[in-house]
Amino acid sequence: LAKTTQPISMDSYEGQEVNITCSHNNIATNDYITWYQQFPSQGPRFIIQGYKTKVTNEVASLFIPADRKSSTLSLPRVSLSDTAVYYCLVGAGSGNTGKLIFGQGTTLQVKP
Amino acid sequence: DTAVSQTPKYLVTQMGNDKSIKCEQNLGHDTMYWYKQDSKKFLKIMFSYNNKELIINETVPNRFSPKSPDKAHLNLHINSLELGDSAVYFCASSRGRAGGPSGTQYFGPGTRLLVL
Repeated sequence: LAKTTQPISMDSYEGQEVNITCSHNNIATNDYITWYQQFPSQGPRFIIQGYKTKVTNEVASLFIPADRKSSTLSLPRVSLSDTAVYYCLVGAGSGNTGKLIFGQGTTLQVKP
Repeated sequence: DTAVSQTPKYLVTQMGNDKSIKCEQNLGHDTMYWYKQDSKKFLKIMFSYNNKELIINETVPNRFSPKSPDKAHLNLHINSLELGDSAVYFCASSRGRAGGPSGTQYFGPGTRLLVL
């Protein structure tokens, strides 16, 4: 199973770039890496997904090294509203018997 | 319109009772999920349904049973509730297999279950 590991918490200040790394040593060939954001009292929300190298969208970038055993979510110029829990999800295998593994989440606190 | 909805939002009940949580998605997705989030914020998958077939079943007690009357609904029924069942339960849906290229999951707002 593709177990994932993330830092439990991080602090940052407004305007800084934040990088959150997730380790997934046992990622399978067919697995994609997906990051979600969760605010208090809400369900998780999709941020970004990638398979290899670099992916960028309007809110974040995702860096994946060649061995794909880790990934780094990059949030440029964070604001107070980016304070949330960030989860790394690795799809586990192909076919109907796969198991989904969420990381334990990283609580990001953005300070003014 | 809400993409993934759950009812009820809050559920307070006594130990030993049987309860159900309903979930509906209007996205036309083929796969739906149930997750449990405990007080430490760990998000654990419980069940997944694809075209009315169970495709993921984690090691959850058999007191928990998912029921899918159609592709747009996946309800969660819990028998003989226990104190340890207190948590937030999230329903989600995706077009394809979660973890794959078309597997972006859309989550509902959650149901906060408290067992007394």
